[in-house]
Amino acid sequence: SAVISQKPSRDICQRGTSLTIQCQVDSQVTMMFWYRQQPGQSLTLIATANQGSEATYESGFVIDKFPISRPNLTFSTLTVSNMSPEDSSIYLCSVGSRGEPQHFGDGTRLSIL
Amino acid sequence: EDQVTQSPEALRLQEGESSSLNCSYTVSGLRGLFWYRQDPGKGPEFLFTLYSAGEEKEKERLKATLTKKESFLHITAPKPEDSATYLCAVGDFNKFYFGSGTKLNVKP
Repeated sequence: SAVISQKPSRDICQRGTSLTIQCQVDSQVTMMFWYRQQPGQSLTLIATANQGSEATYESGFVIDKFPISRPNLTFSTLTVSNMSPEDSSIYLCSVGSRGEPQHFGDGTRLSIL
Repeated sequence: EDQVTQSPEALRLQEGESSSLNCSYTVSGLRGLFWYRQDPGKGPEFLFTLYSAGEEKEKERLKATLTKKESFLHITAPKPEDSATYLCAVGDFNKFYFGSGTKLNVKP
């Protein structure tokens, strides 16, 4: 299965700033996904990022707050913009094909002061 | 509304005490049911995929089964290293729906 690396692994940020999270995969993949996992909670899909097309956002998530780039088949970024304490969470990237298992990175642990 | 429900939320077992975790779902257009293990500070680690009712998969002390509306993860003679949160996800054509997980604690 693909090896997925996320950077940074954790960060502490000030309110009102933005942070870009990187997701690098060791093989070419069509579909990449970004999730949020709040403490003790399950995973909530933020958006699906396919190379060559605009990201598809889930209900409750908007592009202005969570802009995503997908410049090639091995890389994606998620930016968390104008952060507030409510954005404190774990952000996870995954890869997978339709009907197949998704494989995850270890996540970025984000705290907002 | 598409939904995945896991029970129990938490489970404490003695080493060697077998048990089962449940995942029930109401997702139309099911393309697969997936079990994951998540350790603290880590991303979910893929365990099993089940695609059709009656299917079973095994790996070491774990066995996953699937019916039309639910899946079970059976843990036989668990060891402390099996302690983790177990997540189930149901995939339709476009995305995964995750349950809230079962936190398993196996005491030596």
